[in-house]
Amino acid sequence: AQKITQTQPGMFVQEKEAVTLDCTYDTSDPSYGLFWYKQPSSGEMIFLIYQGSYDQQNATEGRYSLNFQKARKSANLVISASQLGDSAMYFCAMRGRETSYDKVIFGPGTSLSVIP
Amino acid sequence: DARVTQTPRHKVTEMGQEVTMRCQPILGHNTVFWYRQTMMQGLELLAYFRNRAPLDDSGMPKDRFSAEMPDATLATLKIQPSEPRDSAVYFCASGKGEFFTDTQYFGPGTRLTVL
Repeated sequence: AQKITQTQPGMFVQEKEAVTLDCTYDTSDPSYGLFWYKQPSSGEMIFLIYQGSYDQQNATEGRYSLNFQKARKSANLVISASQLGDSAMYFCAMRGRETSYDKVIFGPGTSLSVIP
Repeated sequence: DARVTQTPRHKVTEMGQEVTMRCQPILGHNTVFWYRQTMMQGLELLAYFRNRAPLDDSGMPKDRFSAEMPDATLATLKIQPSEPRDSAVYFCASGKGEFFTDTQYFGPGTRLTVL
């Protein structure tokens, strides 16, 4: 069955430094999509970045990039030049054939705190 | 900037009362999802619709929860009667389709407190 693991319940990073949030996944599907969402203290869920299983290059969106290692089944989120506003919960998620492509499986999340 | 909207943002009610939450998906999105988020369970999928038809509501307690899409611009989630254990944040999300590349966009959520 599809599963997402985020092994870092909480992390700290100094402002302006880069940080990597880990995500590993388990699936037998060859076709799947991986997503990262940010949830600040205000509670909204904000889509950050997407990586498809067939994408040859790592996805990037501004200061966010995804370190996609397909053979290791990992999709780590890299945030460059951290800002105070990056303090939030971050969720890794995936969708694939095992859940009819409709349902998104979410990881437990990582709480990131940016220190001034 | 297209967004999913949800009302109300906050709701405090007493046990036994009916609660109705509303969601307006992004225009052009044909798939709508209802999630519930709690500290203990994380994000749980309650139900979802495609082209207004319910596809799966297996995550909902059937005896008290109901979800509908009266039209393409409105999805509702009702709880009757509400119980303290229903206290959570309820999110609506919408997406364009059913392929694995499709991104779900979330609304701001309704924070429900049942006393």
